Amino acid sequence: DVKVTQSSRYLVKRTGEKVFLECVQDMDHENMFWYRQDPGLGLRLIYFSYDVKMKEKGDIPEGYSVSREKKERFSLILESASTNQTSMYLCASSLGEYDTGELFFGEGSRLTVL
Amino acid sequence: LAKTTQPISMDSYEGQEVNITCSHNNIATNDYITWYQQFPSQGPRFIIQGYKTKVTNEVASLFIPADRKSSTLSLPRVSLSDTAVYYCLVGDHEVTGGGNKLTFGTGTQLKVEL
Repeated sequence: DVKVTQSSRYLVKRTGEKVFLECVQDMDHENMFWYRQDPGLGLRLIYFSYDVKMKEKGDIPEGYSVSREKKERFSLILESASTNQTSMYLCASSLGEYDTGELFFGEGSRLTVL
Repeated sequence: LAKTTQPISMDSYEGQEVNITCSHNNIATNDYITWYQQFPSQGPRFIIQGYKTKVTNEVASLFIPADRKSSTLSLPRVSLSDTAVYYCLVGDHEVTGGGNKLTFGTGTQLKVEL
C-alpha cells in the first residue's frame, strides 16, 4: 500500500514563526500536493509538484512556499505564520504522467498559530 | 478549470441506498471523475473512479451520463460507518509537464442514522 507520512499531527506555533510541514511518500509517485482544509470550505489546493524541483501554484498559494529537493519529499513552508493559517494541512501524492486522479493522502497536520 | 457542485448535506437511514450527484458542466475531454470519502481527522480516501457510463466496485457504483456533465455516486445499503464527507473530483489537465491540478469542491456530508 502507498504510504504518505506527514511529520507532525499537531503543531502549535506563534505568529511570525517560520513553520515547516514535511511530507514523505514511499511509492515513487511523481506528483505531490499540499491542501488545507477549513470548516465549510472543503479542501483547497495550496501548491503541487509534478517533478523534483518543480512546483506550481494552486488556488491559495499566498503566504506559503514549497520545496521538493527529492522525489519522495515535499515540504510546505510558512515563512511567517499568521493566525489565519491555523488549519488542517493535508499532503497527497499521485502516480504521474498518466495520472487519472487517484490521490493518496496523509493523516493531516493540524496547525494552530497563536 | 472544471468545477464541481454537490449538495452540502444528505441524511439517510441504515440499509437504504444513497445517491449523491455531482455537477461538472465544464468537464474536459480527458478528465476522469473520482470520488473520495473522508472521516473526521483523516485524509480523504479513494472510493471509485470513472470516465463514462457505469463503474462498480465492492464499495459503490458510479453512474455517468453520455454528456458527462454530471455523475452520481451510489452507495448500496448504507450503514452508520458510511457517515462521512464525500467529495467529487474532476481531473484537470491544464498543467503542463504531465502534472494535474486536482481541486476539490466542498463535499457532501452524509449522515446515516439508525
